[in-house]
Amino acid sequence: DTEVTQTPKHLVMGMTNKKSLKCEQHMGHRAMYWYKQKAKKPPELMFVYSYEKLSINESVPSRFSPECPNSSLLNLHLHALQPEDSALYLCASSQFGQAKQETQYFGPGTRLLVL
Amino acid sequence: AQKITQTQPGMFVQEKEAVTLDCTYDTSDPSYGLFWYKQPSSGEMIFLIYQGSYDQQNATEGRYSLNFQKARKSANLVISASQLGDSAMYFCAMREGPDGFKTIFGAGTRLFVKA
Repeated sequence: DTEVTQTPKHLVMGMTNKKSLKCEQHMGHRAMYWYKQKAKKPPELMFVYSYEKLSINESVPSRFSPECPNSSLLNLHLHALQPEDSALYLCASSQFGQAKQETQYFGPGTRLLVL
Repeated sequence: AQKITQTQPGMFVQEKEAVTLDCTYDTSDPSYGLFWYKQPSSGEMIFLIYQGSYDQQNATEGRYSLNFQKARKSANLVISASQLGDSAMYFCAMREGPDGFKTIFGAGTRLFVKA
């Protein structure tokens, strides 16, 4: 089973709202990722958690706040977003190790619109 | 710095024919992994195939095969017997280092399969 789930599928929020995106995997993976993808562009890495600790923060604005409550869950808290933050937000997970174990498996994404 | 290049913004192929999607990469790390993902209009990134830098043989997964030419730093995806459902965006990606989490994606190639 290579399923990563994300909720909600769609989200519309105002610039003063606070919302959260959720991601869950039950593959026993110990690395989880958040990506941002604008239309017709490749995904861009935002954050990486390994063993529930933040490993990579790609200089993302503080209005995005990640959280990893346990090895299966990953949240992205959103506050005071800008219209340019509208994008598809993808969550992924992977195992550690060599070769094909490194493969990241993605969820279906959350389409975010900031008004 | 690592880099992934996909030079074909769009490709057309007739149903049941084979198609090759190009990908070149650049890295100074001897240990790396190369991936191909398919992204339909729904947005989900679907893992297709993996090639490790030390793999001696080209990877194959069903109708997908990877033409890995290490000296040329190319990792082209070959899709045999194209189907209408293959119409999607295809991304080449590279993961650098044995324990590196950073994966970068190429710009993508939009494949259109004609009936």
